[in-house]
Amino acid sequence: QSALTQPASVSGSPGQSITISCSGTSSDIGRYKYVSWYQQHPGKAPKLMIYEVSNRPSGVSDRFSGSKSGNTASLTISGLQAEDEADYYCSSYTGSTTLTLVVFGGGTKLTVL
Amino acid sequence: EVQLLESGGGLVEPGGSLRLSCAASGFTFTDAWMTWVRQVPGRGLEWVGRIQSKTNHETTDYAAPVKGRLTISRDDSKNMVYLQMNNLKSDDTAMYYCTAGLCIGTACHWDDAFEIWGQGTKVTVSS
Repeated sequence: QSALTQPASVSGSPGQSITISCSGTSSDIGRYKYVSWYQQHPGKAPKLMIYEVSNRPSGVSDRFSGSKSGNTASLTISGLQAEDEADYYCSSYTGSTTLTLVVFGGGTKLTVL
Repeated sequence: EVQLLESGGGLVEPGGSLRLSCAASGFTFTDAWMTWVRQVPGRGLEWVGRIQSKTNHETTDYAAPVKGRLTISRDDSKNMVYLQMNNLKSDDTAMYYCTAGLCIGTACHWDDAFEIWGQGTKVTVSS
């Protein structure tokens, strides 16, 4: 499986909403509900923000939401805050033990203007 | 406190070997399936491989680029997971993270939602 496709960058002003897309195939996003999103600040480890397409782990703000349609998943951040500026990665379970069990997107850099 | 702490990274020549270690604490390690994820500097994340629990026969799976060269093992008596890296290539240069999946009650997302991460250990393959 190739990496999932994400836009290289997105930007928004404080208070606005942005959406990051994550395009896969019928072998990953299109087949499974196991899509996750991670936030990564510079020099830090990734942090799980969304799992199973649209669920938030305990402690993650409800300003973060996820969805999926066909082979494309999306992460929406509403009420943008300066602290949201980070890189965001999507991932999908593939079920493949011959290529890779989990595939990640290339990452999207979010800039809060 | 739930924690993963990697060690063992460093500079190694192409064709060389390295063993990374990951010490776990604050959760029931014996039940956990442990995953290694790597990140090339300035680039995206890449799933490397995973080892299941002893109950699941410590079954391992690997990404195609590392299969046959990288081996994951665990020592439940020490709450440790290891990544043995042989025949290293320049493409293996990356930050290596040890991770564990999200558990909600008895339902765990071992293979699809990585909640616990270490701080990473850097591996550089260069002559």
